[in-house]
Amino acid sequence: GAGVSQTPSNKVTEKGKYVELRCDPISGHTALYWYRQSLGQGPEFLIYFQGTGAADDSGLPNDRFFAVRPEGSVSTLKIQRTERGDSAVYLCASSRPGETQYFGPGTRLLVL
Amino acid sequence: EDQVTQSPEALRLQEGESSSLNCSYTVSGLRGLFWYRQDPGKGPEFLFTLYSAGEEKEKERLKATLTKKESFLHITAPKPEDSATYLCAVQAGANSKLTFGKGITLSVRP
Repeated sequence: GAGVSQTPSNKVTEKGKYVELRCDPISGHTALYWYRQSLGQGPEFLIYFQGTGAADDSGLPNDRFFAVRPEGSVSTLKIQRTERGDSAVYLCASSRPGETQYFGPGTRLLVL
Repeated sequence: EDQVTQSPEALRLQEGESSSLNCSYTVSGLRGLFWYRQDPGKGPEFLFTLYSAGEEKEKERLKATLTKKESFLHITAPKPEDSATYLCAVQAGANSKLTFGKGITLSVRP
């Protein structure tokens, strides 16, 4: 079956611009997670949705980062006023509640 | 705070040369320890979940084991296609999030 999909696969933007990253989870998975992975590091948790609501947003680094999941399926991670330090791979994962998280291919964000 | 440390950072093996990757963890109330494989430019691919000390799981040339302080990923007679970064992660307490180590980059030479 179809796995987690993420778009775009690559995004290049300029410092100060706004970006949106999209995640389409596995069908039937009510839990959705965003992680960020910098070069040479493991993924770092950002936010977790159960259904439409953010159950845990403790990993969002600051108020420039925001995520939504309005219909409990597709999620969008939004970054305002991007900074060069935001450059990383943004990974999305989905799962059934309490079960294994399956990851998408990631969006590679480069802020110039 | 949950902590995961993986060692070594990188490992180079000759094809057929068995070895082990280590994952040490410090958590309050382990719910699960996860191993993922990550190829360059791709997302992590799930390998195993271990839930309690003494548990073991196997898949092809890989075997994962768990104690109260660490997990090992044993690779028996590796092949070049086993070359990848292997990530260890824990899920603990009431949290659903995964806390990852930095990963171990494995290179298997033919």
